[in-house]
Amino acid sequence: QQQVKQSPQSLIVQKGGISIINCAYENTAFDYFPWYQQFPGKGPALLIAIRPDVSEKKEGRFTISFNKSAKQFSLHIMDSQPGDSATYFCAVSGGYQKVTFGIGTKLQVIP
Amino acid sequence: NAGVTQTPKFQVLKTGQSMTLQCAQDMNHEYMSWYRQDPGMGLRLIHYSVGAGITDQGEVPNGYNVSRSTTEDFPLRLLSAAPSQTSVYFCASRDGATNEKLFFGSGTQLSVL
Repeated sequence: QQQVKQSPQSLIVQKGGISIINCAYENTAFDYFPWYQQFPGKGPALLIAIRPDVSEKKEGRFTISFNKSAKQFSLHIMDSQPGDSATYFCAVSGGYQKVTFGIGTKLQVIP
Repeated sequence: NAGVTQTPKFQVLKTGQSMTLQCAQDMNHEYMSWYRQDPGMGLRLIHYSVGAGITDQGEVPNGYNVSRSTTEDFPLRLLSAAPSQTSVYFCASRDGATNEKLFFGSGTQLSVL
C-alpha cells in the first residue's frame, strides 16, 4: 500500500514561473511533512517541512500548503529558476516512525 | 564534522556474490536507515534502526541484512546479489524523535551483472 502519492512525475516550467508539486497521504497519524531536494549524483537534502498545526509555511521562494482534512500537501516554487532544476520528494513521518517518500518529481526550469 | 559517509561510491558485482555497503555518521544520531532509489519508484526503505542493537524492516527488506552494534555504524549486507538489486543506495540518519530532519550520504551506485 502506497502511503504517499506524489504527482506529477515530471514537470517543465519556464523561468520565472510557478512550480507546483502535490502529495496525498493516507495515515492520519503522520505529523511531519517534509520536502527534499536532490541534485544529480547527490543525496537528497531537506528543503522545507511543515507540521499539521499550520496550513502554510514559507521559506524564501518555497512554500508548503497543507490541507489536513483532504490529507494533501503541496510544494510551490515561486519565480522558478534554472538552478531549481532537480528531483523533489515529499515524505511523511511521525515521531520514531519510519520516513516514507513519494516517487519523486523531476523538475526542469527552462530559460 | 563529516556527516553521513558511505563507501564505496561505485560497485560492480556478479550474480551470487555478497558484499557490505558501509555507512557511518559522526553526529551521534540514534536513527539510521537505508533506502534504495530506482527510476519511477522513488526512495524505498530497506531497513532502519532506532538505536544500537535495534533494527527493523522497511518496505523492501528481502535479500538484505543489517546490524547496529554501535551508534555510528549501520552496514547493509547483500547476501547473494541479484540483478534486481542494481540500484543507488542511500544511507540516512536523524537525531531522534524530536528532530525529524534526515541527513543523507552521497550514495552507492551498485550494478549486479
